[in-house]
Amino acid sequence: QSALTQPASVSGSPGQSITISCTGTSSGVGSYNLVSWYQQHPGKAPKLMIYEGGKRPSGVSNRFSGSKSGNTASLTISGLQAEDEADYYCCSYAGSSTFYVFGAGTTVTVL
Amino acid sequence: QVQLQESGPGVVKPSGTLSLTCVVSGVSISSSNWWSWVRQPPGKGLEWIGEIYHSGGINYNPSLKSRVTISVDKSKNQCSLKMTSVTAADTAVYYCASIISGMVHFDSWGQGTLVTVSP
Repeated sequence: QSALTQPASVSGSPGQSITISCTGTSSGVGSYNLVSWYQQHPGKAPKLMIYEGGKRPSGVSNRFSGSKSGNTASLTISGLQAEDEADYYCCSYAGSSTFYVFGAGTTVTVL
Repeated sequence: QVQLQESGPGVVKPSGTLSLTCVVSGVSISSSNWWSWVRQPPGKGLEWIGEIYHSGGINYNPSLKSRVTISVDKSKNQCSLKMTSVTAADTAVYYCASIISGMVHFDSWGQGTLVTVSP
């Protein structure tokens, strides 16, 4: 069982905005703004989309944004496009004993 | 630009040892990066296995620590993963990933290699 809870699936129509939540604990997500988000298309390796809660790596579309409130981190995809259909995983640094924990993943479907 | 390439046997027998290699290119393995292993069972989510720094720092997932060894070969610019006493539950795609020192996110990933535990 993941230490981070994500919805199994989220869907939206092209052009809409969707938000994926990632809920952890007060000692994990709540204590550190160190959540990262990864996009994974079928048969491909994960790709970093957001780090340190809300920073975007070079080359990642500004349609992707991250935020945090309390123990919940969120990834928002605005202007949804067909190419955004993929699995999305959150990951949090969980301290010097557990280190990294992932959510179970959210499948995004573009209707 | 860091590039990572995993390799190893695609099939390992139950109770055997899984051995994988990650060749690093585009940067020295002695650069300011931690080198991690992450796995993904078929149809399931990601699980962090462990990480190593070239100077010897190593961290493991507590749930796998007793069976896992990660090492670095500076002469070959590669890191390796060994996992003992494997079972069917260890069947997964194994990824090599890098973390810039001081950061806590996986910025580059290899393409992954599927390891199946089967008699």
